[in-house]
Formats: sequence, C-alpha cells, structure tokens
Amino acid sequence: GAVVSQHPSWVICKSGTSVKIECRSLDFQATTMFWYRQFPKQSLMLMATSNEGSKATYEQGVEKDKFLINHASLTLSTLTVTSAHPEDSSFYICSASTVSQHYFGEGSWLTVV
Amino acid sequence: TQLLEQSPQFLSIQEGENLTVYCNSSSVFSSLQWYRQEPGEGPVLLVTVVTGGEVKKLKRLTFQFGDARKDSSLHITAAQPGDTGLYLCAGESPNSGYALNFGKGTSLLVTP
Repeated sequence: GAVVSQHPSWVICKSGTSVKIECRSLDFQATTMFWYRQFPKQSLMLMATSNEGSKATYEQGVEKDKFLINHASLTLSTLTVTSAHPEDSSFYICSASTVSQHYFGEGSWLTVV
Repeated sequence: TQLLEQSPQFLSIQEGENLTVYCNSSSVFSSLQWYRQEPGEGPVLLVTVVTGGEVKKLKRLTFQFGDARKDSSLHITAAQPGDTGLYLCAGESPNSGYALNFGKGTSLLVTP
C-alpha cells in the first residue's frame, strides 16, 4: 500500500529556534498534502492544505508566517515551525492524498524547551 | 471548517460488551472515514463510506452512513482488549478542498 514517511519522528529544540519537518510520499505522487496538529488526548486539527507549486492554504487561526509550508514536488512537503515556543510543542501529522484516498505519516513529536 | 460531533468522548467497557460510537454533523459530506489511532502514531484507516444509508462490516466492526450523509456510527460487537485505542471519524467535502475534518475522537478502553 501507499506509504507516507515523516522525518524526524521526534525532535527537541530550544525556544526561539526553527524546526523543519518533512513529509514524503514514497511510492506515489500526491496531488495534495495536508498538515495536522494534535495535542495530547485530543483529535487532529487541520493546519493547512498544500498543493505542489502553489502557496499553502491555512486554516483560520494558524499563522502562516510561523508555520511555513513548502511543497516543492509531488512527493515532498515540508513544515517549518519558526521561532518555536513551548506552546508549539505538539504532535504534527501530515497526510498525502490522491483522488480517492488519504495516507497518513507516522507523525512527528516536537518538544520546545 | 465543518463541525463533526463525536460521542462518547471516553468509553470504558469490559471484554465481550458491545458499543456504539456516533459521529454527527449538520453538514453533508461526500465521504466519511473512520480511523483508529495508537498513541504516538498516525491514524490508520478502518473504512470509508460514501453512499447514504451504506453499511460496511469489518469483522466485529459495523459502520453505517446516514441516509442524508451527515452522520455515521461505528458499532463494535463483543469488544476485545485489542480494540482499545482512539477512534476518529473524519468527513471529507469539496467545500473544504477535500481536507479531512476530524471529530474529537472516542477513547476506548476494553478491560479483560
């Protein structure tokens, strides 16, 4: 089946630094990639929708200048958390979609200290 | 964002019992998906329902999509400890660019 890989699986960074998370579709080309955020014991909240070669569409309340999304190819999207703060600590999950299916990555744990 | 209400939020039952999880919305979805998620992992797709009134069975799990495509239910028969996990419903709509809008989830604990 289709595989989506996220990297890194977990990262600890200092407050004020930036962190990049990659999302790759390994054996298919994704028309669209989505980024979600999940706090402990809560559900997934959509952050942004990303299409290859165009600017991402952000959900209300998500700062586009803080969460930079680059979608350079049909198999790779990156999320950069800029000037990270402890409240940005969360589980970040991407999904890559084709016309009929969404495929989720394994998620990336971000801890900002 | 189209709101999906999922209930119950928490459920603790004993092995062998039956349970039903509900997912309701005032919006119509082109499809509705059910996922199961283990701690620290991405969600895993259980089923996709697309037709109003559709019923799908996956071993002891039965999924139903409402006639109006606004609601869905997940019924588990004779629950087992291995069923423990977070169950999420997610609706897909062209109005949201086919992004998945997730319900708040149902955390299920099945004890032996």
